[in-house]
Amino acid sequence: KNQVEQSPQSLIILEGKNCTLQCNYTVSPFSNLRWYKQDTGRGPVSLTIMTFSENTKSNGRYTATLDADTKQSSLHITASQLSDSASYICVVSDRGSTLGRLYFGRGTQLTVWP
Amino acid sequence: EADIYQTPRYLVIGTGKKITLECSQTMGHDKMYWYQQDPGMELHLIHYSYGVNSTEKGDLSSESTVSRIRTEHFPLTLESARPSHTSQYLCASQSTSGSIYEQYFGPGTRLTVT
Repeated sequence: KNQVEQSPQSLIILEGKNCTLQCNYTVSPFSNLRWYKQDTGRGPVSLTIMTFSENTKSNGRYTATLDADTKQSSLHITASQLSDSASYICVVSDRGSTLGRLYFGRGTQLTVWP
Repeated sequence: EADIYQTPRYLVIGTGKKITLECSQTMGHDKMYWYQQDPGMELHLIHYSYGVNSTEKGDLSSESTVSRIRTEHFPLTLESARPSHTSQYLCASQSTSGSIYEQYFGPGTRLTVT
């Protein structure tokens, strides 16, 4: 069964600290992995997209890694800011259909305290 | 910033009412999607469209219906709202340029049926 599991479910950190969010998936065949940021009451916004051949990609203070062999990804946030408080969703796309089906994790709810 | 809009943003309505959630995008994308998301849960695909006059049901069974008469417009209708329809509804459209098909999400409609 194609699944995307994220950990931790929630995380509280102090402003300025770093953190790492985890994503494990069983989606096959694999096409790409995306990390989205979803602010409360808003739609998800894409942070990074990585294909099979990419093992790291950065977007400002966000750095995503991908290990396609172990089917694991992480999102590292550096020098956190209050505005980083949001849900971070890992999404995996398969290449097994013309739809390019997306499989969503439940997200990690990050809270940054001052 | 993606040009995809949803109205209303919030809706509280009584049981049995007919409602239409609006979604519009100005990016000329052929593919559009509706997702349902409950708090702390993953997004579930309920409808999608590959273009004008094309609509398909997604993975999650839904009593809603959709139409795609114009490329830019993908409304979702509930003929008779029930409390079980209370949820957040997210609309998305997908680029088909390049090798990775980015999905852009609208801000969502938070629906409460009393």
